[in-house]
Amino acid sequence: AQSVAQPEDQVNVAEGNPLTVKCTYSVSGNPYLFWYVQYPNRGLQFLLKYITGDNLVKGSYGFEAEFNKSQTSFHLKKPSALVSDSALYFCAVRDIESNYQLIWGAGTKLIIKP
Amino acid sequence: EPEVTQTPSHQVTQMGQEVILRCVPISNHLYFYWYRQILGQKVEFLVSFYNNEISEKSEIFDDQFSVERPDGSNFTLKIRSTKLEDSAMYFCASKEDPSTDTQYFGPGTRLTVL
Repeated sequence: AQSVAQPEDQVNVAEGNPLTVKCTYSVSGNPYLFWYVQYPNRGLQFLLKYITGDNLVKGSYGFEAEFNKSQTSFHLKKPSALVSDSALYFCAVRDIESNYQLIWGAGTKLIIKP
Repeated sequence: EPEVTQTPSHQVTQMGQEVILRCVPISNHLYFYWYRQILGQKVEFLVSFYNNEISEKSEIFDDQFSVERPDGSNFTLKIRSTKLEDSAMYFCASKEDPSTDTQYFGPGTRLTVL
């Protein structure tokens, strides 16, 4: 069965420092991977995706993610964190065995401290 | 920028009552989805809808649930007889066509069943 794991419930980073939010996946076939962000009392907002091509994907708000096939990982990164980046981040994979539904990780709460 | 909208933002109902959650997908999108997120848990796929019919549904989406696209703009989720465990955040999403992979989410409806 396909699955997504986000091993950290919470990540704390000081403002200005680089941040990484981890995601690993298990799929049959080629993965289609996504990152979404959920701000308090808001919906899920698309950040970036990997379908094919360059392993480093750039997305909204200065975020990027690196696809690593050998490690089955798709970690979200940002070189310099902002307090406004504090939110809940979800990694997801498209279920190729189904009709494009997304399978979600549990989410990681990112806290950026001033 | 076009966005998915959902109403109401919060719905409180008594157990056994019927509720209808409403969504207006992005206007040129063809695929529609409902997901739910029980407090503190993962986002879970409920159902996908295309060409006026359900294309995929999860085990959660039992006979108590139904979806409808009553006109050219609305996409609704009906729960016929709500249970306490239906309390969750319900997200609607839409996608443009089969060749795209990015689903765009609404802000969600928080359903509280008493």
